[in-house]
Formats: sequence, structure tokens, C-alpha cells
Amino acid sequence: QLQLQESGPGLVKPSETLSLTCTVSGGSLSSSSFCWGWIRQPPGKGLEWIGNIYYSGTTYYSPSHNSRVTISVHTSKNQFSLKLNSVTAADTAVYYCARFPIAAPDNHHAFDIWGQGTMVTVSS
Amino acid sequence: QSALTQPASVSGSPGQSITISCTGTSNDIGSYNHVSWYQQHPGKAPTLMIYEGSQRPSGVSDRFSGSKSGNTASLTISGLQAEDEADYYCCSYASSTTLVFGGGTMLTVL
Repeated sequence: QLQLQESGPGLVKPSETLSLTCTVSGGSLSSSSFCWGWIRQPPGKGLEWIGNIYYSGTTYYSPSHNSRVTISVHTSKNQFSLKLNSVTAADTAVYYCARFPIAAPDNHHAFDIWGQGTMVTVSS
Repeated sequence: QSALTQPASVSGSPGQSITISCTGTSNDIGSYNHVSWYQQHPGKAPTLMIYEGSQRPSGVSDRFSGSKSGNTASLTISGLQAEDEADYYCCSYASSTTLVFGGGTMLTVL
């Protein structure tokens, strides 16, 4: 059964770079049937899409974060990562990674498997 | 791109049906059939409930149904149960490569 697990520092200082990794277990990240995404949720607020990445490395980012975000894939480790630079308190949130099927057999075009989420606080 | 518009809260009694709306524009919901709905209980990760507007993933109760008309998608929950009390989010493509979520709706089962 496929599982995703986020990992990374829980505390980041303002103006620094937030770095998170999502490890995929129970299946391969290297499939053209899926892309992989990052979503965040500030405390008490709603979900916000950050971006998606294909196993090939092609990325798509939210216009709201495009200038500060980098998503990368590391197929040999079955991982993908998120870097968000120049963080402020507004970037404090629970960060989720998730699978996004885009082709048969699970052509959902929706986030069908999520990690448990990791809380990141931006504070000095 | 702006967040899709959902009511902040809805409520219903056990056994009743409720509908949550998700309003977008002709650029997002109006242009794509890939509207999805997620259920989120407090402190938990979201769970996919509906994809492609009206399709249920395996394991999701048939009490959950989805539809779309024009720029608005809807999630209907019939036969409300206490366990349905949660936050619900819609999501749509905002372009061929970007996604946007709704602001979320808190469902209270009275």
C-alpha cells in the first residue's frame, strides 16, 4: 500500500529557506501515471496548493508562490522535495505531500493519497 | 487565481441531506471536469471523497455524491451521520497546469 511521509525541520527562521522531503514507500514514484504535489494549510485556515511535479522533473507552481518555490524529484531515493525561500510568518503551516494520478488506470486528476502532514513554524 | 468560493459553514440533523456549493469562474470550474472534493477531520490529513465532479473512489460511501453545473460544483451528503462532521474542500484546475482549492466548509451535524 502506497504511503507518503513528509520530513524536515519544524522551525525555520524568517528570511531563510524552508526545505521538506516527501518519501514514497510501497510503490514507485517513477511512473508516468502520476504526478506529486505539495499542499499547505496555515493554522485554522484552508488548503492551499503549492505545486506539482512529474517524475520527469517537469514542475507546475501556484502563481502565488512561483517566485519562491522549487519542487524537485529524486527518483533514486523515491523522494520529492519542496524548497520555499525567503519565508515569513505567513508561511507557517502544516505542509502535506500527496499523489495526483493523471493517467489510467487511476485517472483521477485529484489528490488521492496524502501524507500525514508536517507542521512548520517560521519564527526567530 | 482566486480561491473557489464555498460557504463557511453548513449544518444538518442526522438522516438529513445537505449540499455544499463551490463556485468558481469560466476559467476554472467552468472549463474543466476535474473537480474534486476532500473531507478533513480535525488534526487529520484530507481524504479524497469525489473526483471528476461526480466519481467516488473505492471505499467512499454512496451517501456522498457530486455534480457540476456551469461554474458551480456541489457536494451532497445524504443520510447525514455524526461521523460526517468535518471540513470539506473543493478543488479544480485553474488552468491546464495549475490547481485551486476552495476556502473550505465546516459541516456540523446537529
